[in-house]
Amino acid sequence: AQKITQTQPGMFVQEKEAVTLDCTYDTSDPSYGLFWYKQPSSGEMIFLIYQGSYDQQNATEGRYSLNFQKARKSANLVISASQLGDSAMYFCAMREFSGGSNYKLTFGKGTLLTVNP
Amino acid sequence: DTGVSQDPRHKITKRGQNVTFRCDPISEHNRLYWYRQTLGQGPEFLTYFQNEAQLEKSRLLSDRFSAERPKGSFSTLEIQRTEQGDSAMYLCASSRRTGESYGYTFGSGTRLTVV
Repeated sequence: AQKITQTQPGMFVQEKEAVTLDCTYDTSDPSYGLFWYKQPSSGEMIFLIYQGSYDQQNATEGRYSLNFQKARKSANLVISASQLGDSAMYFCAMREFSGGSNYKLTFGKGTLLTVNP
Repeated sequence: DTGVSQDPRHKITKRGQNVTFRCDPISEHNRLYWYRQTLGQGPEFLTYFQNEAQLEKSRLLSDRFSAERPKGSFSTLEIQRTEQGDSAMYLCASSRRTGESYGYTFGSGTRLTVV
């Protein structure tokens, strides 16, 4: 079974509007972390935001916020006031902290975001 | 030192040739990871080093692949007898410790094309 599912292969948004990128995950580990990365055409994976499974509040980093719904196992990324430079691939990823391989990141297939002027 | 450096950025090679990629992590990071990303997919874990010790190798890493990290600094990933299926982006990342919540710092990757 897929551990990370991103159901939107592509998304379009108008500049200055908000957009939500979906991510659902599957784990039986009670201790885990969820990450979002941005990958522009240059190839580098840029860390955006982190949510721990025990965090009580949704994570926020500037224009990025993570809508964490633990019971639904979803961790959607919300980008407010989209900018042209936000056009990129976005990946949701998870680390499971119990067990020996707690350093491994498992990624979804990504969502290609296009911001239109 | 501002980030993780990977060299080369692009490599085109003929099937059957050997290739070697280099990764220079952030200097104070003692943990180093290699991931492979094929077209339309997210990155997949290949291997993990803590200092100079290679602590895990994915089953994706066939015996044609070898990774080293001499002296716990830079790392190399070598692919012998390349095949077309090896065409991918090879990403290197580093971190200070596995418990860190801020994820890893990734390099810009080496894009390999096998013709």
